[in-house]
Amino acid sequence: ETGVTQSPTHLIKTRGQQVTLRCSSQSGHNTVSWYQQALGQGPQFIFQYYREEENGRGNFPPRFSGLQFPNYSSELNVNALELDDSALYLCASSLGLQEQYFGPGTRLTVT
Amino acid sequence: GEDVEQSLFLSVREGDSSVINCTYTDSSSTYLYWYKQEPGAGLQLLTYIFSNMDMKQDQRLTVLLNKKDKHLSLRIADTQTGDSAIYFCAESPDSSYKLIFGSGTRLLVRP
Repeated sequence: ETGVTQSPTHLIKTRGQQVTLRCSSQSGHNTVSWYQQALGQGPQFIFQYYREEENGRGNFPPRFSGLQFPNYSSELNVNALELDDSALYLCASSLGLQEQYFGPGTRLTVT
Repeated sequence: GEDVEQSLFLSVREGDSSVINCTYTDSSSTYLYWYKQEPGAGLQLLTYIFSNMDMKQDQRLTVLLNKKDKHLSLRIADTQTGDSAIYFCAESPDSSYKLIFGSGTRLLVRP
């Protein structure tokens, strides 16, 4: 059984640029959730995708958007990057609303 | 409101028991979770408890839930140096799509 994978592991972007982060869900899971974890804090919920539809959204602006593909993998897109977007971005997969299993994260640095 | 609170730091000696505490606010939370995060890594699901349970034991881990006081604890028996990490408590209001995390408790295990 393959766990949750994320790519890239690290990246550095400049303020104002756009970024796409990728997540492959665990085998058998149909739901992907994205979280932002700032340094020294707990993860904050961004949004969730279930069967290719957005299934809920946290308190993040519209420049944070996502997609889920037929194979249940997912992308997180962030436009017009700001310095405060620097964080660890975590993807979690689950079977519906059951327990969520996290990937290793993508560390984004915005300069 | 949705809020999860944890103490920031706990230091124990190897072989002792560790108890990490958490309080949550949403009485509708059906499941409560404990995750472990090692430096530079994603979150590892340790255990979870259903809200109609008072206790759950899983090898060295014991979870206690006091629903009246909205208090959750994680006891780690025979704590080892490999248990040094940040531990996050999380609630899932109304079995919803999102997890609400605390800020994490850093556990340091001294040899």
